[in-house]
Amino acid sequence: GIQVEQSPPDLILQEGANSTLRCNFSDSVNNLQWFHQNPWGQLINLFYIPSGTKQNGRLSATTVATERYSLLYISSSQTTDSGVYFCAVGRGNKLVFGAGTILRVKS
Amino acid sequence: ETGVTQSPTHLIKTRGQQVTLRCSSQSGHNTVSWYQQALGQGPQFIFQYYREEENGRGNFPPRFSGLQFPNYSSELNVNALELDDSALYLCASSWGKDTQYFGPGTRLTVL
Repeated sequence: GIQVEQSPPDLILQEGANSTLRCNFSDSVNNLQWFHQNPWGQLINLFYIPSGTKQNGRLSATTVATERYSLLYISSSQTTDSGVYFCAVGRGNKLVFGAGTILRVKS
Repeated sequence: ETGVTQSPTHLIKTRGQQVTLRCSSQSGHNTVSWYQQALGQGPQFIFQYYREEENGRGNFPPRFSGLQFPNYSSELNVNALELDDSALYLCASSWGKDTQYFGPGTRLTVL
């Protein structure tokens, strides 16, 4: 099956700093989503991005499908950005999740 | 437009018991997927239902079963509970192969 690797596993930032989270996957996919999981467990959709670049406020994402990776950029981080960020990939909508990146933003 | 809802939010069971978890899909969505998330890990795909038929299954034993109803809501049933079944169970709905939207989850503890 498809393997998904996220890096780094942990990240500590000072408020206002920028960061880049990476997702590598082992096979061609036609579905890639980024999620933020809040402390209560809710998975919040950030991007549906099987290819190309998207931006939403301080967040942006780029997927290079031919090279099997995706990047999530967080600019001017805030304490509310803390939590776990997951990349999930698949063919169709049976998603395979990575292990996540735990982000802690300190004030 | 209502989002994905799940019930109950928390549940405590003992080994060997059976449990039923429920999910109401987002309005207009015809596909429901279930995931299990153990502590400290990413969610794992259990199975998916599309128009009341199972449409794919992950690496879970047959004691994990499900249903989808004509209104596209869904149930996840787990028989003969084991300690390792303790996890957050997440339901996601979508329109076909479109973006999946997740519910808040049911946290199951098996003692």
